[in-house]
Amino acid sequence: GAVVSQHPSWVICKSGTSVKIECRSLDFQATTMFWYRQFPKQSLMLMATSNEGSKATYEQGVEKDKFLINHASLTLSTLTVTSAHPEDSSFYICSAPKTGSDGYTFGSGTRLTVV
Amino acid sequence: GENVEQHPSTLSVQEGDSAVIKCTYSDSASNYFPWYKQELGKRPQLIIDIRSNVGEKKDQRIAVTLNKTAKHFSLHITETQPEDSAVYFCAAEGAGNMLTFGGGTRLMVKP
Repeated sequence: GAVVSQHPSWVICKSGTSVKIECRSLDFQATTMFWYRQFPKQSLMLMATSNEGSKATYEQGVEKDKFLINHASLTLSTLTVTSAHPEDSSFYICSAPKTGSDGYTFGSGTRLTVV
Repeated sequence: GENVEQHPSTLSVQEGDSAVIKCTYSDSASNYFPWYKQELGKRPQLIIDIRSNVGEKKDQRIAVTLNKTAKHFSLHITETQPEDSAVYFCAAEGAGNMLTFGGGTRLMVKP
């Protein structure tokens, strides 16, 4: 089935620095990628939707200047957390939409810790 | 937009008993309802899904029922085992093929 590769799986960064998270569709083309954030013991909350060839769509309350999303090609979507702060520490996970009878394909997630 | 409510938030059962988790959704246009099992630090794993053209689907010990009129769907796990212990999320697919997740249920199966 479809596979989305997400890197890094975990990252620790200092406050004020930027972190880039990549999601690649390995055996299919993903014109859309969903980005979720999951705080401990909470649900997955949609942050934004990246679209190849156009601007990302952000959910209400998500700062587009802080969470930069780029869909560079049909197989690569990236999320950059700029000027990270401890409150940005979370589990970030991408997902490609379902295709045909297959369900949604999730990346393996990135545990971000800002110190 | 879509709103998905999930109950209970925690559920403790004895091994061998059944577990039921319920979800309601708000968007009557939603037509795809997956259930995920998530272990700590891992990606959600699809365990079963149902589309709006059927009312029930079963896969071994797991079943899902859907009532479109009432806008609710449920997950049923029979003969629970300790390895079923995890967090379970329901979701509904609304406009733009986006998934909205329920708040999650922490299932604990006691041996």
